[in-house]
Amino acid sequence: AQSVSQHNHHVILSEAASLELGCNYSYGGTVNLFWYVQYPGQHLQLLLKYFSGDPLVKGIKGFEAEFIKSKFSFNLRKPSVQWSDTAEYFCAVNSLTGGGNKLTFGTGTQLKVEL
Amino acid sequence: DAEITQSPRHKITETGRQVTLACHQTWNHNNMFWYRQDLGHGLRLIHYSYGVQDTNKGEVSDGYSVSRSNTEDLPLTLESAASSQTSVYFCASSGTSGVRGDTQYFGPGTRLTVL
Repeated sequence: AQSVSQHNHHVILSEAASLELGCNYSYGGTVNLFWYVQYPGQHLQLLLKYFSGDPLVKGIKGFEAEFIKSKFSFNLRKPSVQWSDTAEYFCAVNSLTGGGNKLTFGTGTQLKVEL
Repeated sequence: DAEITQSPRHKITETGRQVTLACHQTWNHNNMFWYRQDLGHGLRLIHYSYGVQDTNKGEVSDGYSVSRSNTEDLPLTLESAASSQTSVYFCASSGTSGVRGDTQYFGPGTRLTVL
């Protein structure tokens, strides 16, 4: 069974600091990759996704992620975080075996941005 | 605008009672999913459906059931609520883009407390 690992459970940054959140998955076949964000008290929203093509994908609010197939990784980055980026971030993988619509989520990374 | 709604948003119930959580989407999506979110576990898949009359078990399906009688709704039933089912429940839906699957869109969640 596939799994997703997010190694940073809690991250605290000051405003304007750079952000990189790690995500590794354990499936060797073709996958779709997602990052979702959950602001306090809200539902999950899609930040960005990778299906195919350019492994560097850009999402909303200045976030980007790079798919490195050889490392089974899909790390999320932002060059300069804002206080409003305080949220929980989830990496998710969708394997394409058997129809490929189920998502497997990582355990999430809680990001706190301090002023 | 298309959306996913969940009701109730908050529910307190007692051990042993049957509880049904509603999920309604106006995206006209074929695929619908139920997840539970728990601290330290991220989101885990409970049940999912790829179309009317289709239901499938997910990772943590014990004690839960779903039925799909139309495209718009996928109610989740807890047959006999247990304290271990205290959680936040999210419904999601996605379309079907060929063989590569599609982005899942999430509802606002239902916070369930079982006393």
